Amino acid sequence: GAGVSQSPSNKVTEKGKDVELRCDPISGHTALYWYRQSLGQGLEFLIYFQGNSAPDKSGLPSDRFSAERTGGSVSTLTIQRTQQEDSAVYLCASSFRTAPRTDTQYFGPGTRLTVL
Amino acid sequence: GENVEQHPSTLSVQEGDSAVIKCTYSDSASNYFPWYKQELGKGPQLIIDIRSNVGEKKDQRIAVTLNKTAKHFSLHITETQPEDSAVYFCAAPGGTSYGKLTFGQGTILTVHP
Repeated sequence: GAGVSQSPSNKVTEKGKDVELRCDPISGHTALYWYRQSLGQGLEFLIYFQGNSAPDKSGLPSDRFSAERTGGSVSTLTIQRTQQEDSAVYLCASSFRTAPRTDTQYFGPGTRLTVL
Repeated sequence: GENVEQHPSTLSVQEGDSAVIKCTYSDSASNYFPWYKQELGKGPQLIIDIRSNVGEKKDQRIAVTLNKTAKHFSLHITETQPEDSAVYFCAAPGGTSYGKLTFGQGTILTVHP
């Protein structure tokens, strides 16, 4: 079946502009996660959705970052007034909620964001 | 919260040799430990995972061992091939009830033909 998809695959923007990144999870997966991967670094958790609710948004780095999920499916991560330090690969993952803390997360290919 | 340490940061082996990557975690309540392989320009791909009710799991050339007492787990790749070259990440649940993952810093594995 289809995996997690993300769009765009690459995004180049100017400092101060807003950007929207999209994630389509695997069909039927109720949980959705956003992570950020800076150059040569590990993955940093941003936010988690269960259905359309976000019980854990502790990883969002500032109030310029927000995310929403509609219809229990597609999610959008929005970064307002982008800064150069926002440049990174933004990864989305989804899982079929079976039990807390033990779900298998499947990742999409990521969106590479470059802020000039 | 959970803290995951991964070693080594780089690992270079000859084709056919074995490779071992080790991770430690801090939260004794963690009970799920996945390993991901990431190739250049791609998202992480799950290669194997283990839950805390077992001490070892194998899948062909790949195995993972878990020592809950010592709070460490390891990835073992036998008979390495050039296509095993990639960045490998270990992870553990992030210290909450919701299942976010805390990742190690990654190991760059290079398999020389």
